[in-house]
Amino acid sequence: AQTVTQSQPEMSVQEAETVTLSCTYDTSESNYYLFWYKQPPSRQMILVIRQEAYKQQNATENRFSVNFQKAAKSFSLKISDSQLGDTAMYFCAFMKQDDKIIFGKGTRLHILP
Amino acid sequence: EAGVAQSPRYKIIEKRQSVAFWCNPISGHATLYWYQQILGQGPKLLIQFQNNGVVDDSQLPKDRFSAERLKGVDSTLKIQPAKLEDSAVYLCASRSAPRQGRWNTEAFFGQGTRLTVV
Repeated sequence: AQTVTQSQPEMSVQEAETVTLSCTYDTSESNYYLFWYKQPPSRQMILVIRQEAYKQQNATENRFSVNFQKAAKSFSLKISDSQLGDTAMYFCAFMKQDDKIIFGKGTRLHILP
Repeated sequence: EAGVAQSPRYKIIEKRQSVAFWCNPISGHATLYWYQQILGQGPKLLIQFQNNGVVDDSQLPKDRFSAERLKGVDSTLKIQPAKLEDSAVYLCASRSAPRQGRWNTEAFFGQGTRLTVV
């Protein structure tokens, strides 16, 4: 069975700083997808970034980038130039082809003014 | 493109009562998920539909929870009778079918229904 582990329950950083959220996962699959979702207080789960396991190049979306280490089964999210609007719960998630999405327990991120 | 619609947004019931949640996925999305998110935890899959067929309901407490997806569009999730530990946010999500052999990975989530059982 696949598992996703987020070891940082809560983090705080100053506005404009860079922050890295950690995630590790366990799977025997070779082809899968990894995601970071953002969940603000409105509860709407929003996709931040996705990574295909067979791609070696790390995904980047504007201020958000990942460090994907397939052998180590590690998938961290880096937020550069953090903004107050980045304050939210962040969930790391795993999905194998056409299957359910498995979430970690989340990291609560506070961006401080 | 309209998003995933869920209702109600909030519901408070007494234990042993029954409750139903409704989800209208994005038009044309074949896959529909129901997740339970207990406060402070990540979402846990309850059931996954592909069109109107169940793909995975291994974590659905079938003695009290039921779900259906009529005609492969809207879905309802029911709890009968509710327990205190059912207090959670219930999230619905949908995802489109693969196109031209390409695997579509993005799931779209609704805003959820917050259930409080007292």
